[in-house]
Amino acid sequence: GDSVTQMEGPVTLSEEAFLTINCTYTATGYPSLFWYVQYPGEGLQLLLKATKADDKGSNKGFEATYRKETTSFHLEKGSVQVSDSAVYFCALYYGNNRLAFGKGNQVVVIP
Amino acid sequence: NAGVTQTPKFQVLKTGQSMTLQCAQDMNHNSMYWYRQDPGMGLRLIYYSASEGTTDKGEVPNGYNVSRLNKREFSLRLESAAPSQTSVYFCASSELGEKLFFGSGTQLSVL
Repeated sequence: GDSVTQMEGPVTLSEEAFLTINCTYTATGYPSLFWYVQYPGEGLQLLLKATKADDKGSNKGFEATYRKETTSFHLEKGSVQVSDSAVYFCALYYGNNRLAFGKGNQVVVIP
Repeated sequence: NAGVTQTPKFQVLKTGQSMTLQCAQDMNHNSMYWYRQDPGMGLRLIYYSASEGTTDKGEVPNGYNVSRLNKREFSLRLESAAPSQTSVYFCASSELGEKLFFGSGTQLSVL
């Protein structure tokens, strides 16, 4: 079935460093792709989305490009802040009002 | 704006006890969902309701039941709690199935 795979393990980096979190997908067709973010003690919230190949989603300095040729949707931010510390989930829409989520990546930004 | 409201926030149960997690949304969304979040497993869909009066199983429905009481409310019941059901539970709602709005979660421990 349709699914997403995120890179293993937490990510720890210093403030102002460049962040990349990898996400690849397996799907029949070209589903909409998403990144959700979960701040400590809260539920998930939508960070950005892309609905078709070559689309770039962006929000709060984060970007992700829908790459059909590599079936990827990697999340990037050029200069992270301590306030970006959170868990980030990649997701895809697989129909019937449902999303499939990746396992999430904990990001810790050190001052 | 309340959004999605879950109760309780924390609960400790003994094995075999029953309980109901309550969820209500005030955004007039048709679809509602129950997820569980476990370390290393990401978010897994337990049950969802595409519209009032309908419910469907997700990935991990065993040991749970749901009720879509009306358009606003979607409850999750554990009839006989087991330690394997120790988790953080999230309720969510959406209109089109892509942008989900999450509650702040219920942390459940089953001893």
